[in-house]
Amino acid sequence: DAKTTQPTSMDCAEGRAANLPCNHSTISGNEYVYWYRQIHSQGPQYIIHGLKNNETNEMASLIITEDRKSSTLILPHATLRDTAVYYCIVSPRNAGGTSYGKLTFGQGTILTVHP
Amino acid sequence: GAGVSQSPSNKVTEKGKDVELRCDPISGHTALYWYRQSLGQGLEFLIYFQGNSAPDKSGLPSDRFSAERTGGSVSTLTIQRTQQEDSAVYLCASSLGLAGGITDTQYFGPGTRLTVL
Repeated sequence: DAKTTQPTSMDCAEGRAANLPCNHSTISGNEYVYWYRQIHSQGPQYIIHGLKNNETNEMASLIITEDRKSSTLILPHATLRDTAVYYCIVSPRNAGGTSYGKLTFGQGTILTVHP
Repeated sequence: GAGVSQSPSNKVTEKGKDVELRCDPISGHTALYWYRQSLGQGLEFLIYFQGNSAPDKSGLPSDRFSAERTGGSVSTLTIQRTQQEDSAVYLCASSLGLAGGITDTQYFGPGTRLTVL
């Protein structure tokens, strides 16, 4: 699986947008970009995923560069409850086109949202 | 609906004892995963079950670790002769697996915190 690189930590003011970068320069054509987050003492929570187009859901937006070598997770209006470790994961699809199997978590980015 | 549940939430055991950790996946999910998270470390994959296929055991750290999934639903992770380095939070996740389509989201349980004295 492709390796990802994320900043160790970031700060964001409450109500502002949080932009979390991820580098995945070795990503291959059959790999998706996933974002999960882990709030203290809880299990990881799925946020969003994408292949090459930008994606948006009720939680966040995912911007993937045209060359797919990096992406940015955007929390449009961060709240104190968004303080968590954010993981960017690259996960392959199998030959049948489905993506499943183990997730390889890195160290993630510790996002701290402050008042 | 109900999410992934795990029991016990906390387990304290003595070195050398065996422990069993339980995971109840989301109903209808055919894929089940075990991960562990040691203090200050990232999540480490342990084992993956998909339907009736042979499990992917590539992440199990030693032969003291084993897991089974009965009836395609509940799973038990067993650690024999526990060691202090086994202390960690053990997380279970489930997903639709092959039925998940192009991508397959994993839903995690709250974890079991294992402390080996």
